[in-house]
Amino acid sequence: KAGVTQTPRYLIKTRGQQVTLSCSPISGHRSVSWYQQTPGQGLQFLFEYFSETQRNKGNFPGRFSGRQFSNSRSEMNVSTLELGDSALYLCASSLDGTRGVNEQFFGPGTRLTVL
Amino acid sequence: AQTVTQSQPEMSVQEAETVTLSCTYDTSESDYYLFWYKQPPSRQMILVIRQEAYKQQNATENRFSVNFQKAAKSFSLKISDSQLGDAAMYFCAYTGGGSQGNLIFGKGTKLSVKP
Repeated sequence: KAGVTQTPRYLIKTRGQQVTLSCSPISGHRSVSWYQQTPGQGLQFLFEYFSETQRNKGNFPGRFSGRQFSNSRSEMNVSTLELGDSALYLCASSLDGTRGVNEQFFGPGTRLTVL
Repeated sequence: AQTVTQSQPEMSVQEAETVTLSCTYDTSESDYYLFWYKQPPSRQMILVIRQEAYKQQNATENRFSVNFQKAAKSFSLKISDSQLGDAAMYFCAYTGGGSQGNLIFGKGTKLSVKP
């Protein structure tokens, strides 16, 4: 079974631009979560989608948004990029995301650099 | 709010020796799950071991075992017979029983394995 895939793997943008990152979950998984990883703040939860609906959201500004398609693939968008948005963005999928028994499988991440 | 604390930013172990990574957490929930994730330099996060709070028995996965002290809110990871491939960042993570796709991570411990 193929793992979680994320595209692109690396991205360089300039301040003020917007960016879209993509995540394809493991086949059969309906929950997709997004995390931001930085050296200073560590791993922080962005949001989680299940059946095309955002079920849970972390403490990030509205510039960060996402969506999920009917095939469970998910995208996250960051508008008006700031230098502080430079980070590794990780996507994780699970069967339904409810309760810890559903293990989250992580993708390799997208390294975003904002200049 | 729930928090996860890893007090050891870096640890080092000799190959074939045993090392213990510490993790404490704070929560008022009675139903929750705890995890240890490994993130090698390649960045792919993988689950090492998980513990359900309602289970008194400590989880074990081959060379990896945990010491779960619920009253003390402590969740340490023991790696026996350390191997060079164990070198990585190790993250302790928490999720509540009713949470949806939201893992709360500690800051991580960088483990080095000396040959």
